[in-house]
Amino acid sequence: AQSVAQPEDQVNVAEGNPLTVKCTYSVSGNPYLFWYVQYPNRGLQFLLKYITGDNLVKGSYGFEAEFNKSQTSFHLKKPSALVSDSALYFCAVTTTGGFKTIFGAGTRLFVKA
Amino acid sequence: DAGVIQSPRHEVTEMGQEVTLRCKPISGHNSLFWYRQTMMRGLELLIYFNNNVPIDDSGMPEDRFSAKMPNASFSTLKIQPSEPRDSAVYFCASSFERGETQYFGPGTRLLVL
Repeated sequence: AQSVAQPEDQVNVAEGNPLTVKCTYSVSGNPYLFWYVQYPNRGLQFLLKYITGDNLVKGSYGFEAEFNKSQTSFHLKKPSALVSDSALYFCAVTTTGGFKTIFGAGTRLFVKA
Repeated sequence: DAGVIQSPRHEVTEMGQEVTLRCKPISGHNSLFWYRQTMMRGLELLIYFNNNVPIDDSGMPEDRFSAKMPNASFSTLKIQPSEPRDSAVYFCASSFERGETQYFGPGTRLLVL
């Protein structure tokens, strides 16, 4: 079955420290990979995506993600966390052919000042 | 562009009443998605349309739910009759092509008493 896993319900990090939010997937073919962020009482907002090419993708607000085909992972990273980065983060995978996008369960990021 | 527009933003109704949620996608986008978000079940895809045609409605919970897209600029999600377990935030999203980045509306927060 095709799936997306975000193994951590919550990630806590101190402001200024690097952060990583993990995502692994199980999808056949060559999927498109996305990260979205959701702030309280808002809809999801696009952060970045990987389709092809360089395994390191840069996105909005200083975030980046590394695609690892052998480990089927697409972890979200930021070198220096901000308190304002505190939000709910979703990894998503679109199956080959674009017929369906599967979202992970979400990881809540808390950045402490 | 104003982004994806949803109305109403909040809806409080009594069990058994009909509820209609509305969505205007971004102009030029040909895929439209309806999601439901709850604490218990996370983000669930209910149905999606491509070029105004329903492609996958396997996520629609039961016959009480129906969705239409009469034209490229408008979609509705209807619940009849509503039940307390339908209480959730309902999001509409659109994308230029299926499989591409999805742009989410602000959501409709539904409370069924």
